[in-house]
Amino acid sequence: DVKVTQSSRYLVKRTGEKVFLECVQDMDHENMFWYRQDPGLGLRLIYFSYDVKMKEKGDIPEGYSVSREKKERFSLILESASTNQTSMYLCASSLFAVRGEQYFGPGTRLTVT
Amino acid sequence: DQQVKQNSPSLSVQEGRISILNCDYTNSMFDYFLWYKKYPAEGPTFLISISSIKDKNEDGRFTVFLNKSAKHLSLHIVPSQPGDSAVYFCAANDMRFGAGTRLTVKP
Repeated sequence: DVKVTQSSRYLVKRTGEKVFLECVQDMDHENMFWYRQDPGLGLRLIYFSYDVKMKEKGDIPEGYSVSREKKERFSLILESASTNQTSMYLCASSLFAVRGEQYFGPGTRLTVT
Repeated sequence: DQQVKQNSPSLSVQEGRISILNCDYTNSMFDYFLWYKKYPAEGPTFLISISSIKDKNEDGRFTVFLNKSAKHLSLHIVPSQPGDSAVYFCAANDMRFGAGTRLTVKP
């Protein structure tokens, strides 16, 4: 059974803190993605990676960075957390980058106070 | 600028009836569309997809229709069941998702 896991289900951080969200997939997928989900806006792509050490900006990369040192692991970094980054963060992986289904993790609900 | 739009935030139907969820897109370069289903506290799961070379794809109770000239697709669920109650997201191959439609199927 395919699996994408995220390091935390719930996280509370203070403004200005550096935040790391970890994602691991066990499907040997080349492609991994980070989204945030907000009411009325759906899922918006933050960053994606199509190979180890490769990354591409999505629609809303400002305030975020990513790291992919190993194929199975894709990390999202909030360099200096702000209250407008309070959101649900979803990680996904896929075999094909643009014409294939994505497998999602359960999400991390991040609250920045 | 949302290139994939789901204009109905919610839909309520009776068990056994048809559910029709709609999705519009603006980018004519999109050539592959997917529907995902999301339960609370879980990530979205893939439901069904359609390539732009087709106008219909069926999988059991779920059928997706694509109207390229109108840049419109719809998901039909027949018959609807209470377990179908979830948020449904439409997505295009460019990793673009709609805002979602919350479907409630009443027993």
